[in-house]
Amino acid sequence: GENVEQHPSTLSVQEGDSAVIKCTYSDSASNYFPWYKQELGKRPQLIIDIRSNVGEKKDQRIAVTLNKTAKHFSLHITETQPEDSAVYFCAASMGFGNEKLTFGTGTRLTIIP
Amino acid sequence: DAGVTQSPTHLIKTRGQQVTLRCSPISGHKSVSWYQQVLGQGPQFIFQYYEKEERGRGNFPDRFSARQFPNYSSELNVNALLLGDSALYLCASSLGVRGHEQYFGPGTRLTVT
Repeated sequence: GENVEQHPSTLSVQEGDSAVIKCTYSDSASNYFPWYKQELGKRPQLIIDIRSNVGEKKDQRIAVTLNKTAKHFSLHITETQPEDSAVYFCAASMGFGNEKLTFGTGTRLTIIP
Repeated sequence: DAGVTQSPTHLIKTRGQQVTLRCSPISGHKSVSWYQQVLGQGPQFIFQYYEKEERGRGNFPDRFSARQFPNYSSELNVNALLLGDSALYLCASSLGVRGHEQYFGPGTRLTVT
């Protein structure tokens, strides 16, 4: 089955700097890659996603890139703010009726004021 | 605009007991998936239901079962509880076959003593 690896496990950046989180997946049949943000004690929130027919997607300060050949995708957060502090999870699924999400192990992002 | 709802919020059970968790999807969503999140880890897929039929099952023992009702709400049942079943149980809803985006409920925190 699908296996998703995520790095780094912890990341601290100065407020205003950029943060990058990277994930690799194993199954070339995966075609949908969402990112979730989870604050302490709260539900995972979908913040951005990308499908396999797209190489990059942006939403304000957040962007995701996908390299299908290398089977890796990354989350980029620019101009980081204290409220960006949370655990971020990447995930992969095959879609087409099989919506099982396989999650990475998470990255704890801390923004230093 | 109501999101995914789950009940109960918290639950404490004893080893060997049975538990039923409930989920109501976003209005218009026909697919419900269940995930188990152990502290410090990413969510693990348990089941997906679409139009009342099981569409996928994760690597969980037969003690775990689920069903989906005509109104698309869902129940997750766990029999013969073990200490290792202590976790946050998350329900996610999506449109279904064509809609990949999954939105999570607040979860049910299950503690087995």
